[in-house]
Amino acid sequence: GESVGLHLPTLSVQEGDNSIINCAYSNSASDYFIWYKQESGKGPQFIIDIRSNMDKRQGQRVTVLLNKTVKHLSLQIAATQPGDSAVYFCAERRYGNKLVFGAGTILRVKS
Amino acid sequence: EPEVTQTPSHQVTQMGQEVILRCVPISNHLYFYWYRQILGQKVEFLVSFYNNEISEKSEIFDDQFSVERPDGSNFTLKIRSTKLEDSAMYFCASRDPKGASYGYTFGSGTRLTVV
Repeated sequence: GESVGLHLPTLSVQEGDNSIINCAYSNSASDYFIWYKQESGKGPQFIIDIRSNMDKRQGQRVTVLLNKTVKHLSLQIAATQPGDSAVYFCAERRYGNKLVFGAGTILRVKS
Repeated sequence: EPEVTQTPSHQVTQMGQEVILRCVPISNHLYFYWYRQILGQKVEFLVSFYNNEISEKSEIFDDQFSVERPDGSNFTLKIRSTKLEDSAMYFCASRDPKGASYGYTFGSGTRLTVV
């Protein structure tokens, strides 16, 4: 059977550096994408979203890039802070309105 | 800021018992969802609910699962006869289709432990 445990990729960055977290999505028909942050014991928290008719969107300290040609999504966090340490998930909206989540990336910020 | 509220935060149950997980979605939202997350794994879609009926469900959502909106505020997930592999975090989410960013908001989850 499937083993349970943390098998997520980990990104370690120094406080103050920029972070880039990547995600590959599978369905070219997905029309909307969201990045979520999940801290231990909590639910997914919305960070930023982007529609499929855009290739870049900026928020406060965060930028999402969408490359539909290669079905790739990235999240850039500027001046990473210790409070940014969490698991980050991308999610795509498929036909209908359910979200399909990616596998997640652990971000560890070193002070 | 409006939030999705889930109770209880942690539920321990014996295998074979029924459990009901409760959610209070954001009041003006129209779409409701249940997701689950097995420890260390990704968040998985279970079911979506709109206009008092299921609009979509995953293969995980078998006959042991049911959802209900018994009144104007609560949204519940029932597992009739729990199995060990049902142990997971269960997240409720709601959505306002008129929201500027489609407005999916998640609750903090219920940790279900089946022993």
